[in-house]
Amino acid sequence: SAVISQKPSRDICQRGTSLTIQCQVDSQVTMMFWYRQQPGQSLTLIATANQGSEATYESGFVIDKFPISRPNLTFSTLTVSNMSPEDSSIYLCSVLTSGRASYNEQFFGPGTRLTVL
Amino acid sequence: AQSVTQLDSQVPVFEEAPVELRCNYSSSVSVYLFWYVQYPNQGLQLLLKYLSGSTLVKGINGFEAEFNKSQTSFHLRKPSVHISDTAEYFCAVSDKSGYSTLTFGKGTMLLVSP
Repeated sequence: SAVISQKPSRDICQRGTSLTIQCQVDSQVTMMFWYRQQPGQSLTLIATANQGSEATYESGFVIDKFPISRPNLTFSTLTVSNMSPEDSSIYLCSVLTSGRASYNEQFFGPGTRLTVL
Repeated sequence: AQSVTQLDSQVPVFEEAPVELRCNYSSSVSVYLFWYVQYPNQGLQLLLKYLSGSTLVKGINGFEAEFNKSQTSFHLRKPSVHISDTAEYFCAVSDKSGYSTLTFGKGTMLLVSP
């Protein structure tokens, strides 16, 4: 298993500013993911963050808006840039751990609840 | 590509009653199936998963789910719910590659009242 912490747990921000969310894992993991959960919606994958390479973004998400860093195997950050009220969401970090040869389990952090005014 | 449909956005139920939360999926390849629970103001926690073998899988907190390949369903059940089961429940799928990106349904809010 993996224990994941995120900072901040919540924040209220002004339009046009940026917020950096941190994700810390208690063990080394190969793959980390960032998800967005908009109010009343399901989770949508933003990007996959692999250590030592550029993040891979899903359709509809771009690096200029959601820059990601992955400096080592236990840490990642997601920045939400030039925020607007539409960015108000819960942002979750998740990690992939090695398990059975044919399956890797994904664990989730507690999330960061962002409100943009 | 996969997709997941959770047919009920909200399921109200009385305490100690049985409950079934429905999940159907669509995929052109074989998949793994999951149910996650999200308690208020918390992250996601894995309830149970189907990887292979027996189609009836048991998870934590007394939940179980049955994989039905012909109906492409993975419904979640509990014979007797508690107030503490009030939460959002998400069904998810991933393909059987080593890179297991999850595709989530929209979630079902289980509301347990006394």
